[in-house]
Amino acid sequence: AQSVTQLDSQVPVFEEAPVELRCNYSSSVSVYLFWYVQYPNQGLQLLLKYLSGSTLVKGINGFEAEFNKSQTSFHLRKPSVHISDTAEYFCAVWGAAGNKLTFGGGTRVLVKP
Amino acid sequence: SAVISQKPSRDICQRGTSLTIQCQVDSQVTMMFWYRQQPGQSLTLIATANQGSEATYESGFVIDKFPISRPNLTFSTLTVSNMSPEDSSIYLCSVESLETYEQYFGPGTRLTVT
Repeated sequence: AQSVTQLDSQVPVFEEAPVELRCNYSSSVSVYLFWYVQYPNQGLQLLLKYLSGSTLVKGINGFEAEFNKSQTSFHLRKPSVHISDTAEYFCAVWGAAGNKLTFGGGTRVLVKP
Repeated sequence: SAVISQKPSRDICQRGTSLTIQCQVDSQVTMMFWYRQQPGQSLTLIATANQGSEATYESGFVIDKFPISRPNLTFSTLTVSNMSPEDSSIYLCSVESLETYEQYFGPGTRLTVT
């Protein structure tokens, strides 16, 4: 079984519409959660992270994510997307499979005008 | 945060040859990580490199195929040996913040094996 699952491999969305990217993980221990973005032909950039505290975390570029411990989920949301948000988004969990960072399969977001 | 550079940024190599990828960090770090991102895929951890000790390889990756050096606290190399077309990937190095567990990534090395 995968440790980190991103349920949608591709998400097409129209400009200015909201988007939600789903991420679930499997772990019985405390974990740290991250969302990274990879723009075309670029490296990975951190969008946001959850370490502890408030379960709603806000990141860069208007993104936010909510940690749900009971559902072992960390879904990413943005209320209104821009063309420039077209990218691959990766959920990553530290501690889900040992003391290391494990990545989900990625979700490709295509924002259409 | 950390600024990471990688060399080369891309290369096209013939099968059976080897390529060494360099990773330079602008600050001293304990652990450096090497990842592989195959075309259209997610990131898979190859190994963790600690300065002064042997690298720790993940399941499915072996030292003979991916030898790693870590001569000091700001530099590491990954060699992809005896390459085949299946090795065509983006190879990324990263470092981790001990306080936040956040990882900072280099821009990647895009390798194509023909």
